[in-house]
Amino acid sequence: NAGVTQTPKFQVLKTGQSMTLQCAQDMNHEYMSWYRQDPGMGLRLIHYSVGAGITDQGEVPNGYNVSRSTTEDFPLRLLSAAPSQTSVYFCASRGQGIRNEKLFFGSGTQLSVL
Amino acid sequence: ILNVEQSPQSLHVQEGDSTNFTCSFPSSNFYALHWYRWETAKSPEALFVMTLNGDEKKKGRISATLNTKEGYSYLYIKGSQPEDSATYLCAFTEGGKLIFGQGTELSVKP
Repeated sequence: NAGVTQTPKFQVLKTGQSMTLQCAQDMNHEYMSWYRQDPGMGLRLIHYSVGAGITDQGEVPNGYNVSRSTTEDFPLRLLSAAPSQTSVYFCASRGQGIRNEKLFFGSGTQLSVL
Repeated sequence: ILNVEQSPQSLHVQEGDSTNFTCSFPSSNFYALHWYRWETAKSPEALFVMTLNGDEKKKGRISATLNTKEGYSYLYIKGSQPEDSATYLCAFTEGGKLIFGQGTELSVKP
């Protein structure tokens, strides 16, 4: 029973490097999302998807790309990392069938951009 | 993007104290209001998802109420314990996505 799996757990990048944060869920959830967590700011939505082939921007989308080619996977791409992207990133998913569906979170990725 | 506000930002209480936090959200087009508990070095975990005006949910010593007409929800903790120390987040569903407040950080001293 894996739930939401995020990789890697830790990553250090140099400014300008690119990388992809992976997120996979095995619960057949339609909704998947990426959040970043910064001190004193709670969780801010980066991008989200309500199904395969459908993505949309959240509160802080600049500098990030996403795609949703399958129901299970929702990778987050940093095309040219900047120090402002140093943060903890969480992937989360939920079903869309009923109103009281809760979010399930991955274990987080701690990213440092030097 | 709508605004979800939580207060207070942080709270320090003694073991045994009861406490409560507030989450404010837009009252129009209400769909659902979530509460999550987030311990340090862990991932957030759902406490409650509330969908109806007047809803009251309870889980052990933690309970929550919902007023969709005026746009607020209260989370109550009765007889706080050190293990209740965590950040408590509320989230509002808007257009299919969940927007979080900035959280209330609770510290319970023995």
